[in-house]
Amino acid sequence: GAGVSQSPSNKVTEKGKDVELRCDPISGHTALYWYRQSLGQGLEFLIYFQGNSAPDKSGLPSDRFSAERTGGSVSTLTIQRTQQEDSAVYLCASSAREGVETQYFGPGTRLLVL
Amino acid sequence: GQNIDQPTEMTATEGAIVQINCTYQTSGFNGLFWYQQHAGEAPTFLSYNVLDGLEEKGRFSSFLSRSKGYSYLLLKELQMKDSASYLCAVRPYSNYQLIWGAGTKLIIKP
Repeated sequence: GAGVSQSPSNKVTEKGKDVELRCDPISGHTALYWYRQSLGQGLEFLIYFQGNSAPDKSGLPSDRFSAERTGGSVSTLTIQRTQQEDSAVYLCASSAREGVETQYFGPGTRLLVL
Repeated sequence: GQNIDQPTEMTATEGAIVQINCTYQTSGFNGLFWYQQHAGEAPTFLSYNVLDGLEEKGRFSSFLSRSKGYSYLLLKELQMKDSASYLCAVRPYSNYQLIWGAGTKLIIKP
């Protein structure tokens, strides 16, 4: 694919349920980022993967949030026991490498927790 | 600490010029990005500044002053489609993720 893809595009879930969000980065990009954006707010960094290095998880808001990246490509962000405050747009971005490379964003997953 | 400041909202008239400012206080500096984000869409890359000065790309220009911790995005000949949020982001170190501002919502009026 030409760009970063994310699925699902929209997700409505009930409080307490687990959700999985998927990101397919641009082929060959070694760096992958997850962000969260609440309505009208800026981007909140969640987690960063770079190649085979240990991910930077410093932005994860609680232990209910986790992410993995398999084979250095596809990434999954998992939110366990969702809460209403988890409702937001979850954006994934990739870049060719760490450092100065531009980040290219996917269309996001809009999560609504009822 | 790390901090990026941008105005929350600005209004301008179609055909006019607008300047969106961004100031930053970070523990290091390796470059500053500007992104555009239309409502309900993902951010898209506009510009990247590392050295002081003005970089022009068509109707959009971006300026950086490293000594002042200051950047601006200049939009000329405004069009209605320029209505969007404009996000400023700083890379404090070469191997560190970006620090993002909250974005400036730009409203263009006819």
